[in-house]
Amino acid sequence: AQKVTQAQTEISVVEKEDVTLDCVYETRDTTYYLFWYKQPPSGELVFLIRRNSFDEQNEISGRYSWNFQKSTSSFNFTITASQVVDSAVYFCALQDSNYQLIWGAGTKLIIKP
Amino acid sequence: SAVISQKPSRDICQRGTSLTIQCQVDSQVTMMFWYRQQPGQSLTLIATANQGSEATYESGFVIDKFPISRPNLTFSTLTVSNMSPEDSSIYLCSVEGVRQDGQETQYFGPGTRLLVL
Repeated sequence: AQKVTQAQTEISVVEKEDVTLDCVYETRDTTYYLFWYKQPPSGELVFLIRRNSFDEQNEISGRYSWNFQKSTSSFNFTITASQVVDSAVYFCALQDSNYQLIWGAGTKLIIKP
Repeated sequence: SAVISQKPSRDICQRGTSLTIQCQVDSQVTMMFWYRQQPGQSLTLIATANQGSEATYESGFVIDKFPISRPNLTFSTLTVSNMSPEDSSIYLCSVEGVRQDGQETQYFGPGTRLLVL
């Protein structure tokens, strides 16, 4: 079975703190892709990253970084020096061989000024 | 890249009626996907729509309730039939595409917010 678990329902931190959003996945596929999307209060889905299952290199993009560990089936997302504008629901998703996305439940991130 | 538009952006409907949602893409794509996002929930795939063939529905979704059309490579419609309040959701269409930085991704439309009274 394919499954994505985001155990953190809601996280609240004060601005400028670092925060890590966890994502654990299950799949029997050897080739798959992992995504992170941001959904701000306005509702649109903003693509953040897509990671190939064969590429375990960590990714850094500005204040965002991703830690992909196949050994623990995790694809965690860290925001450094968080800002109020980072407040949103963040979704982790697994793409299977049919290009379908299996979504985690989402983590609501609240950044307090 | 792909730019996706959806119509209507939102609607309030009476139970028992039907609503057809349109999804237009600015480039030709093979696969289009329809998702539902119920209030406060994650996204759930309704069906995959390929041009020239019947849509493939996920478990829990049936063609009689959610008929889909895919007349060409840039357009699709999803109809929510015989609506009930439980159908109140955001409905999103998406397509596979390649970003300008070369990353493949799934692009999403802005969504259609449906409230059924």
